[in-house]
Amino acid sequence: AQSVTQLDSQVTVFEEAPVELRCNYSSSVSVYLFWYVQYPNQGLQLLLKYLSGSTLVKGINGFEAEFNKSQTSFHLRKPSVHISDTAEYFCAVSRSNYQLIWGAGTKLIIKP
Amino acid sequence: GAGVSQSPRYKVTKRGQDVALRCDPISGHVSLYWYRQALGQGPEFLTYFNYEAQQDKSGLPNDRFSAERPEGSISTLTIQRTEQRDSAMYRCASSLDTGNTIYFGEGSWLTVV
Repeated sequence: AQSVTQLDSQVTVFEEAPVELRCNYSSSVSVYLFWYVQYPNQGLQLLLKYLSGSTLVKGINGFEAEFNKSQTSFHLRKPSVHISDTAEYFCAVSRSNYQLIWGAGTKLIIKP
Repeated sequence: GAGVSQSPRYKVTKRGQDVALRCDPISGHVSLYWYRQALGQGPEFLTYFNYEAQQDKSGLPNDRFSAERPEGSISTLTIQRTEQRDSAMYRCASSLDTGNTIYFGEGSWLTVV
């Protein structure tokens, strides 16, 4: 069975600092990997996804993630965060085309 | 419509009552998904449709839960005889087709008292 672990339930950083949100997954087969973001009072929005090819994936709003097959990780990074990045971030994995398995989410808090 | 629309956004109901949650997907999207998210957890897959056909309902927790999409557009998730453990956010999503990017609505918060 697949599972997703987001190692930090909450991360707090200062504005303009770099941030890394960690995600590990377990699966014995090839998977697709996703990061979604939920801003306050909004729906989930796709940040980026890895399907195949280059292991470094760039997404919206300056975020990127690197797929590491040997470590079964898909950590999300941004070199310099803004107050507007305050949100909850979800990592998800899918073996099929439709059924996503989700992590519990990481709340990112940006301090001025 | 421009995005996935869900109603009601917030619903408080008494234990034992039936509840219907509605989802209006993005116009033209073939695939529609229902997820449930408890507080402090990630979403959990419930069921999905292609057009009006329910392709997978393996995530529905028990037979009190059902979903339909009779005309291949709007979908309704129905919970009969609600229990307190049903309290959660219910998220609907749609995609152009299976395998394409999934777009989520804002969710419907259900509280069973």
